[in-house]
Amino acid sequence: QVQLVQSGAEVKMPGASVKVSCKTSGYTFTDYHMYWVRQAPGQGLQCMGWMNPKSGDTNYAQKFQGRVTMTRDTSISTAYMELSSLISDDTAVYYCTREVGMNAFDIWGQGTMVTVSS
Amino acid sequence: DIQLTQSPSLLSASVGDRVTITCRASQGISNYLAWYQKKPGKAPKLLIYAASTLQSGVPLRFSGSGSGTEFTLTIGSLQPEDFATYFCQHLNNYPRTFGQGTKVEIK
Repeated sequence: QVQLVQSGAEVKMPGASVKVSCKTSGYTFTDYHMYWVRQAPGQGLQCMGWMNPKSGDTNYAQKFQGRVTMTRDTSISTAYMELSSLISDDTAVYYCTREVGMNAFDIWGQGTMVTVSS
Repeated sequence: DIQLTQSPSLLSASVGDRVTITCRASQGISNYLAWYQKKPGKAPKLLIYAASTLQSGVPLRFSGSGSGTEFTLTIGSLQPEDFATYFCQHLNNYPRTFGQGTKVEIK
């Protein structure tokens, strides 16, 4: 079945970087754009941007430009999201999710909790 | 960026109630709207896409309607497992934004 499996929880110091992985299975990795969405405690869902796994092209939300980098390794069907210069407000659950035909985000990873604390 | 405003933000209801959640877009988005259910500690679950198409496996008590700037999600008869937070999302252009969420709680 189609699955997105993310890496485990992370605790980081302010100013550090975090890199979250999203391993896919059950479908052709390069056929669907991959998005990253986060949810801070008590907050709503925030789309950080997307990557085209076939070309490597990316489009980042303005809020995260300059701090976020989305990459992939097609040989292992895995997407990555790296966020740098972390602050406490970056404490959140980060999800990878694929977009199907401009219609919706149909499959989601289980989420990765990133805690930023000194 | 397109803003999505959901109402109400909090909805208290009982099992068996019919509930309706509204999502208004700051500009026309045709039918590029999806609805998700979110429970604590779980990933969002897609319920409806293209404003009114039920995702495979989602119970028939869920339905969506609307086009342009106003959309609704209706749960025909609320079940115990439906108590959750619901989000709308547009996919008309970038960035894909979400509504602020509607929490459906037990009355």
